[in-house]
Order: sequence, then structure tokens, then C-alpha cells
Amino acid sequence: QSVLTQPPSVSGAPGQRVTISCTGSNSNIGPRYDAHWYRHVPGTAPKLLIFASTNRPSGVPDRFSGSKSGTSASLTITGLQAGDEAVYYCQSYDSSLRAWVFGGGTKLTVL
Amino acid sequence: QVQLVESGGGLVEPGGSLRLSCAASGFTFNDYYMTWLRQAPGEGLEWLSYITPEGSATDYADSVKGRFTISRDNDKNFLYLEMNNLRVEDTALYYCAGGSGDFWSGMTWFDPWGQGTLVTVSS
Repeated sequence: QSVLTQPPSVSGAPGQRVTISCTGSNSNIGPRYDAHWYRHVPGTAPKLLIFASTNRPSGVPDRFSGSKSGTSASLTITGLQAGDEAVYYCQSYDSSLRAWVFGGGTKLTVL
Repeated sequence: QVQLVESGGGLVEPGGSLRLSCAASGFTFNDYYMTWLRQAPGEGLEWLSYITPEGSATDYADSVKGRFTISRDNDKNFLYLEMNNLRVEDTALYYCAGGSGDFWSGMTWFDPWGQGTLVTVSS
């Protein structure tokens, strides 16, 4: 059971927009801690997409955006492409567990 | 280019030991906090350990504390994970990753990542 809660799967047609949610608690995502997002195609290295809830590393297209509200965070992908199919993970820090924690991952399918 | 390559995984019996290595290239290794994470089959990602850039401080998840030891060689640009008293539940794909942000406050994200090395603990 992951500390951060994500939907197991989302899907969308090419060109559409999808949003992946990440629900935490007062000991992780919230006033003190941001969420970070990763894209993972099994068999390859996970890749950082969003850090500190809203920031994109250089090289990440602006089709990817992040937001945070209260103890939840979201990753939005616009202009869906077939190459966006992957598993997306959120991550934060939990002050009660004193550990970095992840969501269970959301598999994105482009229809 | 920036690259992390893990090695050393394999099949080991419960109670056995294994040493994982992670070769870093394409970035200034001794500027980075480094971490180990893992993903068990069908499970999510789990942070295991970090080490400071100079190697003077480390921390571990409760699940591996006392059994795993992280270390680094900044001259060779290598990160290591010594795993002792392995359990069946340690079976996973093990990743090394760099850490950015502020480790002391917890405001930390992981980048770059390697592709992982598979550890299987079974009799």
C-alpha cells in the first residue's frame, strides 16, 4: 500500500488532455513538502518530469505541467502522443515516516 | 551524456549477501547526493538510502536499516550498496539515482536514474 494514492490507470486519445492525481496527507504533500513526478517506461531509467510541484527540468516539453492544492498534486499532459504511454509516479517526503515516498504509479494508455 | 549504470544483481539465497555497484558519468558525481531505490515485482517505488556528496553522512529506510550499507568512491565515480542478511522480500529491481534539492528538509527529488539491476532472493 503506497503512502501517496494515484489512480491505477488513465487513458486518452491522441491530442487530448489527461490529468493524473496524487493524494497525500498532512505529513507529506502539503505546506512543507512538494510533489515531484516521474515517467517510467519499464526496462528503461525513470525520468524526472516535474520537480517542486510545478517546475519542469530543461528538455521536458511544456505539454507536461504540475500543480498542488492542499495535500494533493496533479500532473497534466496536453496534446497526448502515442509516445506518452508510460507509468507515471508522484513522489514526496513524509515527515512521520522520515522517508521519501512514492505513489503506486498510474499507467497512461493513449487510445 | 549523463548516465548511471547499475550492476551486481543476481540470484542469492535468503540470508546471503550481494554488493551492487553504480557507475556514474557525464556529470560532476562528487557534487551530488546519491540514493538507492527499488521496485519489487508488482509494487511501487521505495526509497532505500542516501549518502552525502562527500560520503560523510548516510540514512536508510527502516526496511533495510542494519542490513544494507551505502558507500561511494568519488575518485572512481562509483556508488555502492552492500546488502547483507537478504530476505525474500528484498527481491526487486534496484535503481541508483542522484538527488537534488535539500536533503535536510526533505525537499528532494531524484534525477538522474539508472535502468536498474535485478536482485532475486530465493532458495
